Amino acid sequence: ETGVTQTPRHLVMGMTNKKSLKCEQHLGHNAMYWYKQSAKKPLELMFVYSLEERVENNSVPSRFSPECPNSSHLFLHLHTLQPEDSALYLCASSQDQGQGNEKLFFGSGTQLSVL
Amino acid sequence: TQLLEQSPQFLSIQEGENLTVYCNSSSVFSSLQWYRQEPGEGPVLLVTVVTGGEVKKLKRLTFQFGDARKDSSLHITAAQPGDTGLYLCAGAGGGSNYKLTFGKGTLLTVNP
Repeated sequence: ETGVTQTPRHLVMGMTNKKSLKCEQHLGHNAMYWYKQSAKKPLELMFVYSLEERVENNSVPSRFSPECPNSSHLFLHLHTLQPEDSALYLCASSQDQGQGNEKLFFGSGTQLSVL
Repeated sequence: TQLLEQSPQFLSIQEGENLTVYCNSSSVFSSLQWYRQEPGEGPVLLVTVVTGGEVKKLKRLTFQFGDARKDSSLHITAAQPGDTGLYLCAGAGGGSNYKLTFGKGTLLTVNP
């Protein structure tokens, strides 16, 4: 138990569906992240929030829309996804953000399949 | 763009064997982290190395940061099935490049 909880663990959706991924951290951290993990690729940083403000948007397509209503919760809203978006989506948190050497605490991920 | 190359990509060994995996780059990093990701879970931080030449030990795991802070190695002594997982290295850039750069990982399988 890392203190970061992601739901759902598995998600299958069609290209026309709208779904949301949820992440909650119980560590009192100030920063939260979304990463994408695909086979044979390094972890890709998608979004970073620090104190509920988005500080990083790594050229992610607009069909991915993040939301951070408070420092403990992070959502990733999905709509009109493509099959190549199938991957493991990992949420992480850290105490603070900005130095680059933050210790990341990851959730177990949501395994997403887009049909 | 800072890239981290990890080798080998896959490694399958018998319980009790020793092994070393590598993380190499042409870039200098201010610090480097190692994570282990077990099947069906997210990565878990094992160690952070900061100083060139630094060696850290975590039970049977020995981590070394290269003198020039461009590479790192992880040595496991007497591997056990519980060591099975994906080992990821992640480097933090210096100066204005504060982002963590991840390697693709080494998938280790330790057979009983």
